[in-house]
Amino acid sequence: RKEVEQDPGPFNVPEGATVAFNCTYSNSASQSFFWYRQDCRKEPKLLMSVYSSGNEDGRFTAQLNRASQYISLLIRDSKLSDSATYLCVVNRRRDDKIIFGKGTRLHILP
Amino acid sequence: DGGITQSPKYLFRKEGQNVTLSCEQNLNHDAMYWYRQDPGQGLRLIYYSQIVNDFQKGDIAEGYSVSREKKESFPLTVTSAQKNPTAFYLCASSAPGLAGDYEQYFGPGTRLTVT
Repeated sequence: RKEVEQDPGPFNVPEGATVAFNCTYSNSASQSFFWYRQDCRKEPKLLMSVYSSGNEDGRFTAQLNRASQYISLLIRDSKLSDSATYLCVVNRRRDDKIIFGKGTRLHILP
Repeated sequence: DGGITQSPKYLFRKEGQNVTLSCEQNLNHDAMYWYRQDPGQGLRLIYYSQIVNDFQKGDIAEGYSVSREKKESFPLTVTSAQKNPTAFYLCASSAPGLAGDYEQYFGPGTRLTVT
């Protein structure tokens, strides 16, 4: 099993819709979790950290489920500008190794 | 402005030549990283450094070398031993966040094409 797995998509979603996708991780020792956004031919940029209690930033909500070992990202009222690849990142703080998922491609359709 | 710079943005080299990619940060971060990204693929870790004068191999270190003589700088050399060097190379740095986690910040990347 891969350390971090994401559905590659693409997810084609109409503008204004709500979309959610998950990321599973295999190592229960994982400590820190993040969602990054990467636009085509650009560097990844931090979207949000994921905290145990869940957290929200505007239209974006991130959740962590330690029992089932997955994190999720929910985007409400999606905009055309949300079209990007969303990378799941997991950090095992013990040895500071940071693992990136391969990303989920999201296309918001007008 | 604080940030990470990588230069050049596009780099073209002939096969058999070594090439060094620069990465500089003024964020005062201790840790720095080099990743490689191929089309439609995720990021793969080449080398990382937690502190000056120390670095560790990542998952795909063969054919690459690094140095960390200064906190601000972490250059990556792609040697002629690297079989498929054409890729998008990303440098990142990190420091503990407020919650103790390690958020990474990326430079704009260098697209290396070897022919």
